[in-house]
Amino acid sequence: EPEVTQTPSHQVTQMGQEVILRCVPISNHLYFYWYRQILGQKVEFLVSFYNNEISEKSEIFDDQFSVERPDGSNFTLKIRSTKLEDSAMYFCASSEQGQPGNTIYFGEGSWLTVV
Amino acid sequence: GQQLNQSPQSMFIQEGEDVSMNCTSSSIFNTWLWYKQDPGEGPVLLIALYKAGELTSNGRLTAQFGITRKDSFLNISASIPSDVGIYFCAAPKTSYDKVIFGPGTSLSVIP
Repeated sequence: EPEVTQTPSHQVTQMGQEVILRCVPISNHLYFYWYRQILGQKVEFLVSFYNNEISEKSEIFDDQFSVERPDGSNFTLKIRSTKLEDSAMYFCASSEQGQPGNTIYFGEGSWLTVV
Repeated sequence: GQQLNQSPQSMFIQEGEDVSMNCTSSSIFNTWLWYKQDPGEGPVLLIALYKAGELTSNGRLTAQFGITRKDSFLNISASIPSDVGIYFCAAPKTSYDKVIFGPGTSLSVIP
């Protein structure tokens, strides 16, 4: 069964460093997402991406964050200068069509620890 | 803003018991989704509901889309240890492309 894959599964970084999280969405999907889950809390929307541009973003997704689809398969999330509060599990997701009505499939997550 | 509430927050049940949890909102949604999250993993879709009043099953799981479109229920029959995890309800925000999640119901099953 096709799945969303993410790398790395776990990354430890120093505060102020740049981090890039990588995702390979399901191949025929056109909509891509990043979500974040701080330990013990709910899953929070960060950004959605369609047709090579951001279609929606949350207030969490400030100037320190950026997304890119550098080629036909990868979808990346960059955090320019990490802060301690960026420590969280970051989930990439994709869907075949946009919302509402179409389901989103999640990757297994990239656990980011900022020290 | 639009917000989902889940209850109960956590449950401890004996293996074999049935489980019921719900998700409510003050806003109307046209789709309800139920996800399960195992520790350290991403949410996995269990059931998707697209129509008010719809009742959908997936094995031992049954979910219903409330008539008012402001709530949804998930039932698990004859629970087993692998049902342990956090169950999230989710719904697409009407303004396109954003799915919001409830805070989750943590389920523990005692063998």
